[in-house]
Amino acid sequence: DSGVTQTPKHLITATGQRVTLRCSPRSGDLSVYWYQQSLDQGLQFLIQYYNGEERAKGNILERFSAQQFPDLHSELNLSSLELGDSALYFCASSPGLQKAYYGYTFGSGTRLTVV
Amino acid sequence: AQTVTQSQPEMSVQEAETVTLSCTYDTSENNYYLFWYKQPPSRQMILVIRQEAYKQQNATENRFSVNFQKAAKSFSLKISDSQLGDTAMYFCAFMKLHDISGSQGNLIFGKGTKLSVKP
Repeated sequence: DSGVTQTPKHLITATGQRVTLRCSPRSGDLSVYWYQQSLDQGLQFLIQYYNGEERAKGNILERFSAQQFPDLHSELNLSSLELGDSALYFCASSPGLQKAYYGYTFGSGTRLTVV
Repeated sequence: AQTVTQSQPEMSVQEAETVTLSCTYDTSENNYYLFWYKQPPSRQMILVIRQEAYKQQNATENRFSVNFQKAAKSFSLKISDSQLGDTAMYFCAFMKLHDISGSQGNLIFGKGTKLSVKP
């Protein structure tokens, strides 16, 4: 157990639907990162939050959004789902902006399948 | 923009032997960090080793060591005494050192190398 908890582990949904992925960071970590891992694109950075505030955006589609709550857990919302959104979505956490270079702690991911 | 290239999609090695995974990167930054992550079939991403670009000494972690060539922008991973449990995807990743805009900490990954350790 890495200390980063992601739920659900698996999710199957239909095209056009909306889903929410949840992440609880490791205790004491203030930064949360979301990554998408697909077969053709590899691991792509989506978005970063630090202590409740959005700090950086990567290759995140407009149909996707995220937030970090006061208790530091984060949610990634994916809407108007398409077949191409099928992927493994990882959450990772680090102690803070100045500590990320120690390396992240990753969760075990949410496998999203859009049918 | 930074890019990370892993030119070996798949590799195999016999148990107890040594294998080297290649990684090259492109950046105009002078200070940065490099990482190797391992993703076994369980799909958990596990940090294997990290290297600060401002350190000339190559990082080592037990059976894992790196050959960091800053001028050549090369960062290879050597696994000694390979074990069956080393079977996994290995990802090389790059992180900028500082970015006051807040984007420090974002990892840029290579496509990965699938390593199979054979008994």
